[in-house]
Amino acid sequence: QKEVEQNSGPLSVPEGAIASLNCTYSDRGSQSFFWYRQYSGKSPELIMFIYSNGDKEDGRFTAQLNKASQYVSLLIRDSQPSDSATYLCAVNQGAQKLVFGQGTRLTINP
Amino acid sequence: DADVTQTPRNRITKTGKRIMLECSQTKGHDRMYWYRQDPGLGLQLIYYSFDVKDINKGEISDGYSVSRQAQAKFSLSLESAIPNQTALYFCATSAGMGQPQHFGDGTRLSIL
Repeated sequence: QKEVEQNSGPLSVPEGAIASLNCTYSDRGSQSFFWYRQYSGKSPELIMFIYSNGDKEDGRFTAQLNKASQYVSLLIRDSQPSDSATYLCAVNQGAQKLVFGQGTRLTINP
Repeated sequence: DADVTQTPRNRITKTGKRIMLECSQTKGHDRMYWYRQDPGLGLQLIYYSFDVKDINKGEISDGYSVSRQAQAKFSLSLESAIPNQTALYFCATSAGMGQPQHFGDGTRLSIL
């Protein structure tokens, strides 16, 4: 089992709809969870982080964490073509490092 | 100016050459990381450092070495480059445990 798993996609969503991205992780001791957006050929850009169970909202983005089920998700409301990118989930491994999933490629169709 | 600066941005070189990729940061972070990314794949950790005297291997350190010259500088070397080291390389920094990592713009390295 991979430490952090994401559906690689591609995930295709119509403009204006809600995009839902999911991530599962194997280390029950993980405490910090991050979502990064990466455009093709560019560096990962932090868009959300969450530490506690429940939802965290920031503009059109909502991160959801369920530690009991070991999953974290990212919702993007009112999806725009500019949201088309690869989304990386990252989870801390102990006190030292982050483990990244392989990413989900999201395409927003006008 | 970028908080995390990588040089060079692009490099083409030949098999067997020694290459150094450099990373400097103005964020004042103690923790620095080097990652490799291959097309369609996630980020693989090569080396990480928590301060000048603390260097740790990541999951794919073979064929690479690093130097932490100062809190703000962390360089990655390929002693004898081989074609399967062709990839996009990222440097990242973080303020501490549980904190997010902030990435440089990356170095696209091609080894012929």
